[in-house]
Amino acid sequence: KQEVTQIPAALSVPEGENLVLNCSFTDSAIYNLQWFRQDPGKGLTSLLLIQSSQREQTSGRLNASLDKSSGRSTLYIAASQPGDSATYLCAVGHTSGTYKYIFGTGTRLKVLA
Amino acid sequence: DGGITQSPKYLFRKEGQNVTLSCEQNLNHDAMYWYRQDPGQGLRLIYYSQIVNDFQKGDIAEGYSVSREKKESFPLTVTSAQKNPTAFYLCATRQGYEQYFGPGTRLTVT
Repeated sequence: KQEVTQIPAALSVPEGENLVLNCSFTDSAIYNLQWFRQDPGKGLTSLLLIQSSQREQTSGRLNASLDKSSGRSTLYIAASQPGDSATYLCAVGHTSGTYKYIFGTGTRLKVLA
Repeated sequence: DGGITQSPKYLFRKEGQNVTLSCEQNLNHDAMYWYRQDPGQGLRLIYYSQIVNDFQKGDIAEGYSVSREKKESFPLTVTSAQKNPTAFYLCATRQGYEQYFGPGTRLTVT
């Protein structure tokens, strides 16, 4: 059974720091991995989608990498800003053909001004 | 204005009552999903539908029911059989491998 873990659960950093959020999964047979941002009381906003054949994706200050063999993905945020404060979740898509996704519990990020 | 709408944003019900959460989309996506989110936990899949008139149980379907009579709509009914219905409910669609989420409905049952 696929399990997805995100460590740390919470992170507090000063503005301007570069930071890395981690997502680990137990079964490497995945279709894709998607990173989301969630603000308090809101829905999820898609940040980056990495297909299983890709190694990384970039959007602005965000870079996500995927290493299927080690069961890991990282989300790199460059030059963090207070507006980046949110919970970041990763979701792994199965290869079973059912298009089901397993979510991690998220990393709650606070960027201090 | 394309997107996913969930209504209402907040919903309050008495224990023992069934309640239906609305999810509407105008993205023309075939697949739709319902998730439940509890504090400190990740999203858990309740039901999903790959196409109209077809749906499958997710990991925590007990106490819930759905219908998919139209491509645009995927309502979720929380029945009185659901033991702990108070939660944040999120509806999503899928295009290719990418998921898109609605704003969510917070259900409180007392």
